[in-house]
Amino acid sequence: DQQVKQNSPSLSVQEGRISILNCDYTNSMFDYFLWYKKYPAEGPTFLISISSIKDKNEDGRFTVFLNKSAKHLSLHIVPSQPGDSAVYFCAASGGGSGTYKYIFGTGTRLKVLA
Amino acid sequence: EAGVVQSPRYKIIEKKQPVAFWCNPISGHNTLYWYLQNLGQGPELLIRYENEEAVDDSQLPKDRFSAERLKGVDSTLKIQPAELGDSAVYLCASSFTHQETQYFGPGTRLLVL
Repeated sequence: DQQVKQNSPSLSVQEGRISILNCDYTNSMFDYFLWYKKYPAEGPTFLISISSIKDKNEDGRFTVFLNKSAKHLSLHIVPSQPGDSAVYFCAASGGGSGTYKYIFGTGTRLKVLA
Repeated sequence: EAGVVQSPRYKIIEKKQPVAFWCNPISGHNTLYWYLQNLGQGPELLIRYENEEAVDDSQLPKDRFSAERLKGVDSTLKIQPAELGDSAVYLCASSFTHQETQYFGPGTRLLVL
Protein backbone atom coordinates (compact mmCIF):
# COMPACT_ATOMS: atom_id res chain seq x y z
CA ASP A 1 0.00 0.00 0.00
CA GLN A 2 1.29 3.39 -1.02
CA GLN A 3 1.02 5.61 2.03
CA VAL A 4 2.49 8.64 0.26
CA LYS A 5 1.37 9.37 -3.28
CA GLN A 6 2.56 11.78 -5.91
CA ASN A 7 0.06 11.30 -8.70
CA SER A 8 1.74 13.55 -11.26
CA PRO A 9 4.86 11.87 -12.66
CA SER A 10 5.88 15.02 -14.48
CA LEU A 11 5.20 18.76 -14.72
CA SER A 12 6.39 21.43 -17.14
CA VAL A 13 6.33 25.12 -16.24
CA GLN A 14 7.57 28.26 -17.94
CA GLU A 15 10.43 30.12 -16.30
CA GLY A 16 9.16 32.81 -13.95
CA ARG A 17 5.79 31.14 -13.37
CA ILE A 18 4.64 29.20 -10.32
CA SER A 19 5.32 25.46 -10.00
CA ILE A 20 2.91 23.52 -7.80
CA LEU A 21 3.80 19.97 -6.85
CA ASN A 22 1.27 17.87 -4.99
CA CYS A 23 1.43 15.00 -2.54
CA ASP A 24 -1.27 12.98 -0.79
CA TYR A 25 -0.94 10.68 2.18
CA THR A 26 -3.19 8.10 3.78
CA ASN A 27 -1.82 7.68 7.29
CA SER A 28 -3.42 10.29 9.58
CA MET A 29 -0.71 9.63 12.16
CA PHE A 30 2.01 11.21 10.02
CA ASP A 31 3.13 14.41 11.75
CA TYR A 32 6.19 15.59 9.83
CA PHE A 33 6.52 16.15 6.11
CA LEU A 34 9.46 16.99 3.87
CA TRP A 35 10.32 17.76 0.29
CA TYR A 36 13.54 16.62 -1.32
CA LYS A 37 14.95 17.58 -4.70
CA LYS A 38 17.01 15.15 -6.75
CA TYR A 39 19.23 15.85 -9.72
CA PRO A 40 20.39 12.99 -11.98
CA ALA A 41 23.23 10.90 -10.51
CA GLU A 42 22.96 12.69 -7.18
CA GLY A 43 21.29 11.85 -3.90
CA PRO A 44 18.12 13.60 -2.73
CA THR A 45 18.76 17.07 -1.29
CA PHE A 46 16.60 18.35 1.56
CA LEU A 47 14.51 21.32 0.50
CA ILE A 48 11.88 22.21 3.08
CA SER A 49 9.81 20.60 5.81
CA ILE A 50 6.64 21.20 7.80
CA SER A 51 5.30 19.90 11.08
CA SER A 52 1.66 18.94 11.40
CA ILE A 53 1.11 21.78 13.88
CA LYS A 54 1.56 24.23 11.03
CA ASP A 55 -0.26 24.68 7.74
CA LYS A 56 2.40 26.68 5.92
CA ASN A 57 6.17 27.00 5.90
CA GLU A 58 8.12 29.34 3.67
CA ASP A 59 11.79 29.46 2.70
CA GLY A 60 12.68 31.91 -0.02
CA ARG A 61 11.05 30.86 -3.26
CA PHE A 62 9.75 27.63 -1.72
CA THR A 63 6.54 27.30 0.30
CA VAL A 64 4.98 24.11 1.57
CA PHE A 65 1.29 23.99 2.43
CA LEU A 66 -0.29 21.29 4.57
CA ASN A 67 -4.01 20.48 4.60
CA LYS A 68 -4.44 17.88 7.32
CA SER A 69 -8.14 17.36 6.80
CA ALA A 70 -7.52 16.50 3.15
CA LYS A 71 -4.25 14.66 3.92
CA HIS A 72 -2.61 16.75 1.24
CA LEU A 73 0.51 18.82 0.96
CA SER A 74 1.87 20.91 -1.84
CA LEU A 75 5.12 22.61 -2.72
CA HIS A 76 4.99 25.99 -4.43
CA ILE A 77 8.03 27.37 -6.22
CA VAL A 78 7.78 31.04 -7.17
CA PRO A 79 9.28 32.15 -9.47
CA SER A 80 10.40 28.94 -11.13
CA GLN A 81 13.92 28.87 -12.56
CA PRO A 82 15.57 26.47 -15.03
CA GLY A 83 17.84 25.25 -12.22
CA ASP A 84 14.75 23.97 -10.41
CA SER A 85 14.39 21.25 -13.04
CA ALA A 86 14.74 18.04 -11.05
CA VAL A 87 12.72 15.22 -9.52
CA TYR A 88 10.91 16.24 -6.35
CA PHE A 89 10.04 13.69 -3.66
CA CYS A 90 7.71 14.27 -0.75
CA ALA A 91 8.21 12.24 2.39
CA ALA A 92 6.25 11.74 5.58
CA SER A 93 7.14 10.43 8.98
CA GLY A 94 5.61 9.82 12.38
CA GLY A 95 2.81 7.33 12.53
CA GLY A 96 2.89 7.22 16.29
CA SER A 97 5.65 4.64 16.51
CA GLY A 98 8.36 7.19 17.18
CA THR A 99 10.67 5.60 14.67
CA TYR A 100 10.79 8.68 12.44
CA LYS A 101 10.91 6.43 9.43
CA TYR A 102 10.56 8.43 6.22
CA ILE A 103 8.01 7.15 3.72
CA PHE A 104 8.65 8.59 0.27
CA GLY A 105 6.39 9.18 -2.69
CA THR A 106 7.39 8.13 -6.18
CA GLY A 107 8.49 11.61 -7.24
CA THR A 108 7.43 14.30 -9.72
CA ARG A 109 9.79 15.36 -12.47
CA LEU A 110 9.69 19.14 -12.86
CA LYS A 111 10.91 20.75 -16.02
CA VAL A 112 11.22 24.53 -16.07
CA LEU A 113 11.31 25.85 -19.61
CA ALA A 114 13.45 28.88 -20.38
CA GLU B 1 31.20 20.85 5.92
CA ALA B 2 31.53 17.61 3.98
CA GLY B 3 28.35 15.79 3.13
CA VAL B 4 27.62 12.09 3.23
CA VAL B 5 30.25 10.19 1.25
CA GLN B 6 29.54 6.93 -0.53
CA SER B 7 31.69 4.63 -2.59
CA PRO B 8 31.80 3.24 -5.11
CA ARG B 9 29.49 5.45 -7.17
CA TYR B 10 28.88 2.72 -9.72
CA LYS B 11 29.27 -1.05 -9.59
CA ILE B 12 28.63 -3.71 -12.22
CA ILE B 13 28.79 -7.36 -11.16
CA GLU B 14 27.68 -10.77 -12.33
CA LYS B 15 24.80 -12.37 -10.51
CA LYS B 16 25.74 -14.57 -7.56
CA GLN B 17 28.80 -12.40 -6.87
CA PRO B 18 29.20 -10.50 -3.58
CA VAL B 19 29.23 -6.70 -3.45
CA ALA B 20 29.80 -4.13 -0.72
CA PHE B 21 28.96 -0.46 -0.40
CA TRP B 22 30.63 1.98 1.96
CA CYS B 23 29.21 5.10 3.62
CA ASN B 24 30.81 7.85 5.69
CA PRO B 25 28.15 10.03 7.33
CA ILE B 26 28.31 13.73 8.13
CA SER B 27 30.60 14.32 11.10
CA GLY B 28 28.72 14.20 14.38
CA HIS B 29 25.67 12.45 12.97
CA ASN B 30 24.74 9.57 15.23
CA THR B 31 21.98 8.13 13.08
CA LEU B 32 22.77 6.42 9.80
CA TYR B 33 20.34 4.99 7.26
CA TRP B 34 20.61 2.75 4.22
CA TYR B 35 17.92 3.13 1.58
CA LEU B 36 17.14 1.27 -1.62
CA GLN B 37 15.79 3.19 -4.60
CA ASN B 38 14.39 1.31 -7.56
CA LEU B 39 13.86 3.02 -10.89
CA GLY B 40 10.82 5.29 -10.83
CA GLN B 41 10.31 4.84 -7.10
CA GLY B 42 11.12 6.77 -3.97
CA PRO B 43 13.79 5.61 -1.53
CA GLU B 44 12.80 2.78 0.81
CA LEU B 45 14.46 2.28 4.17
CA LEU B 46 16.53 -0.88 4.59
CA ILE B 47 18.15 -0.29 7.97
CA ARG B 48 18.68 2.47 10.53
CA TYR B 49 21.59 2.68 12.98
CA GLU B 50 21.78 4.64 16.20
CA ASN B 51 25.54 4.75 16.74
CA GLU B 52 26.64 1.09 16.42
CA GLU B 53 23.20 -0.39 17.04
CA ALA B 54 20.83 -1.42 14.25
CA VAL B 55 17.51 -0.24 15.68
CA ASP B 56 15.32 -0.84 12.64
CA ASP B 57 16.27 -3.55 10.15
CA SER B 58 12.79 -4.89 9.48
CA GLN B 59 13.03 -4.13 5.75
CA LEU B 60 16.49 -5.66 5.25
CA PRO B 61 16.37 -9.02 3.38
CA LYS B 62 18.54 -10.84 5.86
CA ASP B 63 19.09 -13.94 3.76
CA ARG B 64 21.45 -12.07 1.46
CA PHE B 65 21.90 -8.56 2.87
CA SER B 66 24.00 -7.58 5.84
CA ALA B 67 25.19 -4.30 7.28
CA GLU B 68 27.55 -3.12 9.95
CA ARG B 69 28.60 0.09 11.66
CA LEU B 70 31.29 -1.19 13.95
CA LYS B 71 32.62 2.05 15.47
CA GLY B 72 29.46 4.06 15.13
CA VAL B 73 30.78 6.12 12.22
CA ASP B 74 31.35 4.45 8.82
CA SER B 75 29.00 1.76 7.62
CA THR B 76 29.13 -1.04 5.09
CA LEU B 77 26.20 -2.69 3.34
CA LYS B 78 26.85 -6.08 1.76
CA ILE B 79 24.91 -8.30 -0.62
CA GLN B 80 25.93 -11.94 -0.99
CA PRO B 81 25.02 -13.37 -3.41
CA ALA B 82 23.65 -10.63 -5.64
CA GLU B 83 20.58 -11.30 -7.77
CA LEU B 84 19.37 -9.58 -10.92
CA GLY B 85 16.59 -7.87 -8.95
CA ASP B 86 19.13 -6.14 -6.71
CA SER B 87 19.97 -3.70 -9.50
CA ALA B 88 19.09 -0.33 -8.00
CA VAL B 89 20.57 2.74 -6.33
CA TYR B 90 21.69 2.26 -2.74
CA LEU B 91 21.53 5.49 -0.76
CA CYS B 92 23.08 6.28 2.58
CA ALA B 93 21.74 9.10 4.75
CA SER B 94 22.60 10.49 8.17
CA SER B 95 21.13 12.79 10.80
CA PHE B 96 22.16 14.14 14.21
CA THR B 97 19.45 12.07 15.84
CA HIS B 98 16.55 10.05 14.49
CA GLN B 99 14.36 13.14 15.07
CA GLU B 100 16.43 15.42 12.86
CA THR B 101 16.37 15.90 9.10
CA GLN B 102 18.11 13.21 7.07
CA TYR B 103 20.83 14.17 4.59
CA PHE B 104 21.60 11.85 1.71
CA GLY B 105 24.78 10.84 -0.04
CA PRO B 106 25.06 10.54 -3.84
CA GLY B 107 24.26 6.83 -3.84
CA THR B 108 25.82 3.74 -5.38
CA ARG B 109 24.25 2.58 -8.61
CA LEU B 110 24.41 -1.23 -8.80
CA LEU B 111 23.89 -3.22 -11.97
CA VAL B 112 23.71 -7.00 -11.66
CA LEU B 113 24.17 -8.87 -14.95
